Amino acid sequence: SQELEQSPQSLIVQEGKNLTINCTSSKTLYGLYWYKQKYGEGLIFLMMLQKGGEEKSHEKITAKLDEKKQQSSLHITASQPSHAGIYLCGADRGTGSQGNLIFGKGTKLSVKP
Amino acid sequence: NAGVTQTPKFQVLKTGQSMTLQCAQDMNHEYMSWYRQDPGMGLRLIHYSVGAGITDQGEVPNGYNVSRSTTEDFPLRLLSAAPSQTSVYFCASSRRLVANEQFFGPGTRLTVL
Repeated sequence: SQELEQSPQSLIVQEGKNLTINCTSSKTLYGLYWYKQKYGEGLIFLMMLQKGGEEKSHEKITAKLDEKKQQSSLHITASQPSHAGIYLCGADRGTGSQGNLIFGKGTKLSVKP
Repeated sequence: NAGVTQTPKFQVLKTGQSMTLQCAQDMNHEYMSWYRQDPGMGLRLIHYSVGAGITDQGEVPNGYNVSRSTTEDFPLRLLSAAPSQTSVYFCASSRRLVANEQFFGPGTRLTVL
């Protein structure tokens, strides 16, 4: 069955530093989603990637899907305390999946002021 | 629009008790799902529905029942609560089955003693 591995599991960065979170799939990704979860709250959609080589940006967050569609990265430029939270990648299970998503275990980001 | 709403926000049960977690969405989404989130396990799919009257099992369905009598509501029933069901439960909905953003509710934090 398909699995998503996220790395690192946790990350502590100084405010203003850049950082990257990775999400690797054991199978081809049909759709890759990035969500952010603040502690004790629900998930907030960040971006969706579908095509190999696709890159999307929103404010200081950039997500990329590699050409082979098995790995995605989330890059935050000039991190701020507001970026702190848990970042999860999710993926469509593929054709016949009835829309189910599988998720990585998350990356916990802390930003020190 | 209220989006996806969940009640209650917190709940404490004793082993063997039953209860229903409520989920509603006002976006006319066909697809709805329930996930549980546990430390170190990420989000796991419990049950999902692709439309009113249609439900199916996810990864971890044992001990839970669902029904979908209307497009808006998707309640999750715990038949006989067990300590292993202590978790945070999230309901989600989306317009399409695949390649589509899922909207998550704020979650229900359940403790079973």
